[in-house]
Amino acid sequence: DTGVSQDPRHKITKRGQNVTFRCDPISEHNRLYWYRQTLGQGPEFLTYFQNEAQLEKSRLLSDRFSAERPKGSFSTLEIQRTEQGDSAMYLCASSSKTSGGGYEQYFGPGTRLTVT
Amino acid sequence: AQKITQTQPGMFVQEKEAVTLDCTYDTSDPSYGLFWYKQPSSGEMIFLIYQGSYDQQNATEGRYSLNFQKARKSANLVISASQLGDSAMYFCAMREGSDYKLSFGAGTTVTVRA
Repeated sequence: DTGVSQDPRHKITKRGQNVTFRCDPISEHNRLYWYRQTLGQGPEFLTYFQNEAQLEKSRLLSDRFSAERPKGSFSTLEIQRTEQGDSAMYLCASSSKTSGGGYEQYFGPGTRLTVT
Repeated sequence: AQKITQTQPGMFVQEKEAVTLDCTYDTSDPSYGLFWYKQPSSGEMIFLIYQGSYDQQNATEGRYSLNFQKARKSANLVISASQLGDSAMYFCAMREGSDYKLSFGAGTTVTVRA
């Protein structure tokens, strides 16, 4: 049983560099979500895909952030010109109509980004 | 306005005892879903239990039960027979209407003592 996987698990980068994270959802799930979690807080929604279509983006997703899900399977989240305020855990989740009555979202282990 | 409020930043519970984690929510949509997730120190969010706004009965999953009081807009999580492995951060979350994204509370840290 393969759950949601994310790569890398940890990323340390210097301010101003670009970073890209990958998320592989549970294979039969058609919905994929990105969240950001800072220390001591709950996750905050960033963006959401249904198949390959990006259906919603949060105001938190500035123009330095871009997300794709080109074939409706894995997704990438890119942050350009990273800033220290981007340091956080980036969580990916997936769900489907059949994942549960509430369309429960299943999360990956996260990518912890540290911008120095 | 905060959609999910968890007022207990941290709680201690003795092993084998029950603990109740508070969650209140704010929505004007008659259709919504409430979720609880567990986040151990390893960081992964683990889905525990779901309650739909139209569900007549409180949800239960093993040692987890949700005390859903719709009029009071509360969805408290009860963990029975606490185990050391229950020590973690617990988050309450809500999905509203046809929206699929989750809004999370700030979380409650639970520490189980032997």
